[in-house]
Amino acid sequence: DARVTQTPRHKVTEMGQEVTMRCQPILGHNTVFWYRQTMMQGLELLAYFRNRAPLDDSGMPKDRFSAEMPDATLATLKIQPSEPRDSAVYFCASGLPSTGRYEQYFGPGTRLTVT
Amino acid sequence: GNSVTQMEGPVTLSEEAFLTINCTYTATGYPSLFWYVQYPGEGLQLLLKATKADDKGSNKGFEATYRKETTSFHLEKGSVQVSDSAVYFCALSSGAAGNKLTFGGGTRVLVKP
Repeated sequence: DARVTQTPRHKVTEMGQEVTMRCQPILGHNTVFWYRQTMMQGLELLAYFRNRAPLDDSGMPKDRFSAEMPDATLATLKIQPSEPRDSAVYFCASGLPSTGRYEQYFGPGTRLTVT
Repeated sequence: GNSVTQMEGPVTLSEEAFLTINCTYTATGYPSLFWYVQYPGEGLQLLLKATKADDKGSNKGFEATYRKETTSFHLEKGSVQVSDSAVYFCALSSGAAGNKLTFGGGTRVLVKP
């Protein structure tokens, strides 16, 4: 049963520290998405990649957030420096639109708390 | 641009009641439509989908029909269980930007025994 995996599942850190979240997309999927979910803002798209190239990162605060895909099996989202307002659940999702199937498959999320 | 509007919750029901969650959309072209479900503490799971007008998606007793004339994709279940308590998201993909999804705001459903 192919799944998207994310690590860590929970992270508590102090303001100013660097945070790195990792995502392993479903093997063979060529598009990867990063979302942030909060009670106030709901689900927000931060960035997405196709074939490891960033297509759109307009939803991401550029000064502190960065997203990369070092290889096809790993996507990373970094926050440096972290701030309390970054506290949220961060989801990764993957898909394969070239098949004509546009659904995305979500990971379990990383719950980030910045104190 | 694309947008999805779904009824605000929470929706509180008794077990075995009928559930409807309304969803309407605005999109260019012929989008694919989805319902996702999020159980407490988990990620979003694809519940069902429909890719063209008049298609009916179904899964786990849930159904939704793609109505192009009313630009709607309402979710229904005839007899809910406590285990259906979750947040439900309607979404669309126009396909123009790969499989970028536009989500509704989510509807929380609470089923009481």
